[in-house]
Amino acid sequence: GAGVSQTPSNKVTEKGKYVELRCDPISGHTALYWYRQSLGQGPEFLIYFQGTGAADDSGLPNDRFFAVRPEGSVSTLKIQRTERGDSAVYLCASSPMGRGNEQFFGPGTRLTVL
Amino acid sequence: GQNIDQPTEMTATEGAIVQINCTYQTSGFNGLFWYQQHAGEAPTFLSYNVLDGLEEKGRFSSFLSRSKGYSYLLLKELQMKDSASYLCAVRDEDSGAGSYQLTFGKGTKLSVIP
Repeated sequence: GAGVSQTPSNKVTEKGKYVELRCDPISGHTALYWYRQSLGQGPEFLIYFQGTGAADDSGLPNDRFFAVRPEGSVSTLKIQRTERGDSAVYLCASSPMGRGNEQFFGPGTRLTVL
Repeated sequence: GQNIDQPTEMTATEGAIVQINCTYQTSGFNGLFWYQQHAGEAPTFLSYNVLDGLEEKGRFSSFLSRSKGYSYLLLKELQMKDSASYLCAVRDEDSGAGSYQLTFGKGTKLSVIP
């Protein structure tokens, strides 16, 4: 079956612009996570959805970052007034409900802010 | 919070055995994961330990000691394709929001040489 997909694979934007990154989780996975990975670092947690609601957004760095998952499937990460420091790979992961389950990662979106 | 340490880089010879160590200091613990990440690709799940002891899966084994805050990943019969980064990740206790977010180490870049 299909894995987690993310679009676009690459996004180049200018400082101050608005971007949207999309994640399509594995069908039937109720849990969805966004992570950010900078070069030479491990992924860093941003936000967690259980169904349609953002159950834990403690990892969002500031109020320029926002994410939605209106129908409990596809999620969009939105970044306003992008800054050069936002440049990173944004990873999405999904998981079946349940604490013992692994997270399946998508290929990521590489965001470059010029 | 979590603090996770693993070596930055390791080199090993094709056909050999390599052990990648991970130590962690956590305010809570609900399982330890190992992921493999090839350059430019998504992390892929290797193993999960929540109880002390060794979990074996083919050429890969993972060990956990909760009292020592220590885990290792053991790779046997190394192949060139095993050249990748290996990420140690700890899952915190459920804060009540149902989030099973992972906190990752920076990863160990393994190079397998002929």
